[in-house]
Amino acid sequence: GAVVSQHPSWVICKSGTSVKIECRSLDFQATTMFWYRQFPKQSLMLMATSNEGSKATYEQGVEKDKFLINHASLTLSTLTVTSAHPEDSSFYICSARAVTAGGLGTSGYEQYFGPGTRLTVT
Amino acid sequence: AQTVTQSQPEMSVQEAETVTLSCTYDTSENNYYLFWYKQPPSRQMILVIRQEAYKQQNATENRFSVNFQKAAKSFSLKISDSQLGDTAMYFCAFASGTYKYIFGTGTRLKVLA
Repeated sequence: GAVVSQHPSWVICKSGTSVKIECRSLDFQATTMFWYRQFPKQSLMLMATSNEGSKATYEQGVEKDKFLINHASLTLSTLTVTSAHPEDSSFYICSARAVTAGGLGTSGYEQYFGPGTRLTVT
Repeated sequence: AQTVTQSQPEMSVQEAETVTLSCTYDTSENNYYLFWYKQPPSRQMILVIRQEAYKQQNATENRFSVNFQKAAKSFSLKISDSQLGDTAMYFCAFASGTYKYIFGTGTRLKVLA
């Protein structure tokens, strides 16, 4: 249980175009999904928190107009990188928190991570 | 504000030996959770073990165990009988009321054959 998928796993796009990354919780409902960015050999940097049906909450320094997040259902959140530039090239990871803690034998604080998406902007 | 510190950027251990990764944190909260995640070369984050702050008993998961010292705000991970597959980046994480994780900078562990 607690599987999170991300699509695509790798995307190359041209500068100025937009790219959408999907994050799905496959076998549980996710109250909250998180989006991270990870640079090589560094830790994960939280970009934003999204709750189903609500606007995402962005961390300080993250441009909300560049990184559009939609959490339309309890199993799907999307991150759209708008007008991408080479400096947006990175590894993007999503995670999901389960609605009910008991269903997965969890505390409700665990985050289950997707496999990540490597974005390369040329 | 909460902080998480992992003071060992890199470590290595011989196969079948035991290794301990350190993690310290700072918080004024009393109820929180601590986690260790493993990120192998595939970059998939895998939950290794969790510890509830209100539980005095240290968590264990097979070869993985923690030494949780609440007063000292220390949360170390012990890996026994290290295996080549344990080679990975290990991240310590703190979570409380907002459910957001505060990650440490990570420790790169290499298991040597």
